[in-house]
Amino acid sequence: GAGVSQSPSNKVTEKGKDVELRCDPISGHTALYWYRQSLGQGLEFLIYFQGNSAPDKSGLPSDRFSAERTGGSVSTLTIQRTQQEDSAVYLCASSAQTGGTEAFFGQGTRLTVV
Amino acid sequence: RKEVEQDPGPFNVPEGATVAFNCTYSNSASQSFFWYRQDCRKEPKLLMSVYSSGNEDGRFTAQLNRASQYISLLIRDSKLSDSATYLCVVPIKGGSYIPTFGRGTSLIVHP
Repeated sequence: GAGVSQSPSNKVTEKGKDVELRCDPISGHTALYWYRQSLGQGLEFLIYFQGNSAPDKSGLPSDRFSAERTGGSVSTLTIQRTQQEDSAVYLCASSAQTGGTEAFFGQGTRLTVV
Repeated sequence: RKEVEQDPGPFNVPEGATVAFNCTYSNSASQSFFWYRQDCRKEPKLLMSVYSSGNEDGRFTAQLNRASQYISLLIRDSKLSDSATYLCVVPIKGGSYIPTFGRGTSLIVHP
């Protein structure tokens, strides 16, 4: 596709349930990032994938959060046993290289845990 | 000190005004800097890159001060459509270079 695609755009889930969020990056982009943004807050880094290298998981807030990237393309962020504080917009971004180049964002998944 | 700091504002200015935002960063090894714009309930989008020599794009000028570790964004002749949150982005190296976002500065341009 022309841009970064995320699905679903909105997700309402009950506390304690698991959720999966999907990100389809721009074709050919080797770097992929997940961030989350709580209401009125800045972007909080979660995890970073670069090519076939081991992901940088330093931003994951707890072991309930995990992510994978299959075939260097599509990524899935999984949150197990969701809590109300997990409610946020989860944003995925990709870039052609790491660090010094523009990151393009998807429109995000708005997660609400009730 | 936070890695990337911005004054959250809001900056409330009339149309036609000139407004400037600063962003300070803590990692002096950073080489690339960016300003992003985020509209309400939308994803961030690149506004402009910040080069060592500065960068100008129409009404927008971005500058870098390495000695004092800050970058700035100047908007001249503000338009109503400039109302948004402006995010400063600095690649910070932990295990790898991660685009690290400031909290953003809110700009409201009124008639």
